[in-house]
Amino acid sequence: GNSVTQMEGPVTLSEEAFLTINCTYTATGYPSLFWYVQYPGEGLQLLLKATKADDKGSNKGFEATYRKETTSFHLEKGSVQVSDSAVYFCALSAPNYGGSQGNLIFGKGTKLSVKP
Amino acid sequence: EAGVVQSPRYKIIEKKQPVAFWCNPISGHNTLYWYLQNLGQGPELLIRYENEEAVDDSQLPKDRFSAERLKGVDSTLKIQPAELGDSAVYLCASSSGLDTDTQYFGPGTRLTVL
Repeated sequence: GNSVTQMEGPVTLSEEAFLTINCTYTATGYPSLFWYVQYPGEGLQLLLKATKADDKGSNKGFEATYRKETTSFHLEKGSVQVSDSAVYFCALSAPNYGGSQGNLIFGKGTKLSVKP
Repeated sequence: EAGVVQSPRYKIIEKKQPVAFWCNPISGHNTLYWYLQNLGQGPELLIRYENEEAVDDSQLPKDRFSAERLKGVDSTLKIQPAELGDSAVYLCASSSGLDTDTQYFGPGTRLTVL
């Protein structure tokens, strides 16, 4: 079946450090891939997405590249800020035909804490 | 533009009591989703509506959970009776027919069953 595995947290970094959160997936067919972010006390927000192999999604300094050969979609940011502290979820959109098409399957989330 | 609205934000009930959650999606969004998010986990889909039709309810525990979206706009998710293990955050999301890939989430309802 379809699944998403992301690195466990928590991840604690100093401000301006480089961030990588690993995400790999298992899916039949060609899913779309997403990173969602959940700030404390708020709902999930779409951070970036990629819909086909080699696409790079980017937003707010974050980037992730859809790697079909390694079934990965790692999230990166060159210089994190305290305001980036949140929980980050990797997700895929189920590519199956029929009723489940379009449903999101999430990883367990990675909590990021950035210290000043 | 208003986002997805959910109420209540928090609910505490005794086990075996009924509980209901309400969701109003973004205006014009035909697709509505209910997710369950346990502590430390990612959201898991319970049910998906296209307009008023439930097109995927395979993960909804139908012995105690029910949902409706009668006019194809707002939706209600009900649990009767609630069990201790139902303590979680219940998220509602919506998407438009033009971009079904992008889902917009509400803030969720945090349920505590005592």
